Amino acid sequence: NAGVMQNPRHLVRRRGQEARLRCSPMKGHSHVYWYRQLPEEGLKFMVYLQKENIIDESGMPKERFSAEFPKEGPSILRIQQVVRGDSAAYFCASSPRTGAGSNTDTQYFGPGTRLTVL
Amino acid sequence: AQSVTQPDIHITVSEGASLELRCNYSYGATPYLFWYVQSPGQGLQLLLKYFSGDTLVQGIKGFEAEFKRSQSSFNLRKPSVHWSDAAEYFCASSGGSYIPTFGRGTSLIVHP
Repeated sequence: NAGVMQNPRHLVRRRGQEARLRCSPMKGHSHVYWYRQLPEEGLKFMVYLQKENIIDESGMPKERFSAEFPKEGPSILRIQQVVRGDSAAYFCASSPRTGAGSNTDTQYFGPGTRLTVL
Repeated sequence: AQSVTQPDIHITVSEGASLELRCNYSYGATPYLFWYVQSPGQGLQLLLKYFSGDTLVQGIKGFEAEFKRSQSSFNLRKPSVHWSDAAEYFCASSGGSYIPTFGRGTSLIVHP
């Protein structure tokens, strides 16, 4: 059973370009979470999605950032008109479903995409 | 809002020595607690988790953690550290929410 897949692993963009980060959850997982990690900091939650639905986007910047998880295909985190401050590692995690007091609350992380904005 | 504190930014130990990484959480009820390890350039790997029951939790790679409600702590331990354990360790809590709150991490350095 393959783990969470993310691509690309490294992405370089110039200021003003668009960045598209992809995440394929583990087989059987229908919940996807995106996190951002700045140097020497912990992970900061960005958005939580189920298939075709955004459940919680409270951690997403209001502008330039969007996320989707279509019925078919990977989840996409899109950053439009990137700026240098967007440089970070972006991690995707997946879980089977959310619930209280069960293993389904555990999130499994992908290897991340390291975005560098020149 | 809940928070997770890892008071040690860096920990240096000698190979073969014991290890304890500290984690404190703030949450009124019993939280769900996790420890993850991140090797350089890699994603996070789950070491162990606590939801309920026995407060001493065994994980992978010889790690264990103990939930102490009175101290709001969930410290990670290993009796004998190997050089391959050098990595960044993150404690996380998801009490009351499906979204875990992560500590800022503790970097473990292992001397030969």
